[in-house]
Amino acid sequence: DTGVSQDPRHKITKRGQNVTFRCDPISEHNRLYWYRQTLGQGPEFLTYFQNEAQLEKSRLLSDRFSAERPKGSFSTLEIQRTEQGDSAMYLCASSPDLYNEQFFGPGTRLTVL
Amino acid sequence: AQSVTQLDSHVSVSEGTPVLLRCNYSSSYSPSLFWYVQHPNKGLQLLLKYTSAATLVKGINGFEAEFKKSETSFHLTKPSAHMSDAAEYFCVVSVGHDMRFGAGTRLTVKP
Repeated sequence: DTGVSQDPRHKITKRGQNVTFRCDPISEHNRLYWYRQTLGQGPEFLTYFQNEAQLEKSRLLSDRFSAERPKGSFSTLEIQRTEQGDSAMYLCASSPDLYNEQFFGPGTRLTVL
Repeated sequence: AQSVTQLDSHVSVSEGTPVLLRCNYSSSYSPSLFWYVQHPNKGLQLLLKYTSAATLVKGINGFEAEFKKSETSFHLTKPSAHMSDAAEYFCVVSVGHDMRFGAGTRLTVKP
C-alpha cells in the first residue's frame, strides 16, 4: 500500500512530556498537511509544507508545536510540554499539487493524562 | 475566508432507503467542494469533489452531490443506503491549500 502512513497510531503520555509524530506522505506528493481533530469535530488545519518549506501555520499552532519536513519527504510534528487540551487525533495528508484533493493518513491518537 | 455548515449532526435511515446529508458553504472565492467519509479507526476517504465542472458530481459507492451556487449548498445523496455506509461524513470547502471541514454528520443505517 502506497498511501499516507503515520506513526505511532496511538500515544499516551503524561502532562508536561514531549511527543513526536511522524508522517510519510505518498511519495510523489510535494504538499504535506497536518490537522488536528477533536471528538465530535471536523479536522482543523495546523500547518502545511510545499517540499521542505513550511508555508503556513494556523494560530492553533502554539509555540509548543513545531513541524519539520527536512528533506521534503517525511514530516514530524513535535509537541513540547504537553497539556491535557492537546489530546486529539493528529492527521497528516498529502497532495500532488494545490488543486487536487488531499489524501489522508490514519492519524495518531494522542492522550495526555 | 470560507466556512461550511453541516445542517445535521446525526442522520438515521433504514437500509435500502435514500440518504440525504446537507451541507451549506460560504466562500469569497470560487471554491472547490468535497465530501469525505471516515469509518471508525480508518483514515478519511474522498467520496467526491466539485471543481467548477459539472454541477452534479458522481462519487464512489453510489454517492452523488449537486452544487447549487444560488443556494450555496452541496448536499450529498444516495438512492439506497447500505449497512456499510454507516460512518461519519464531512463536507469540505477549499480555496487553494485552505481546506475547511464541517463538524460532520454521523450516518446510522438500520437493518
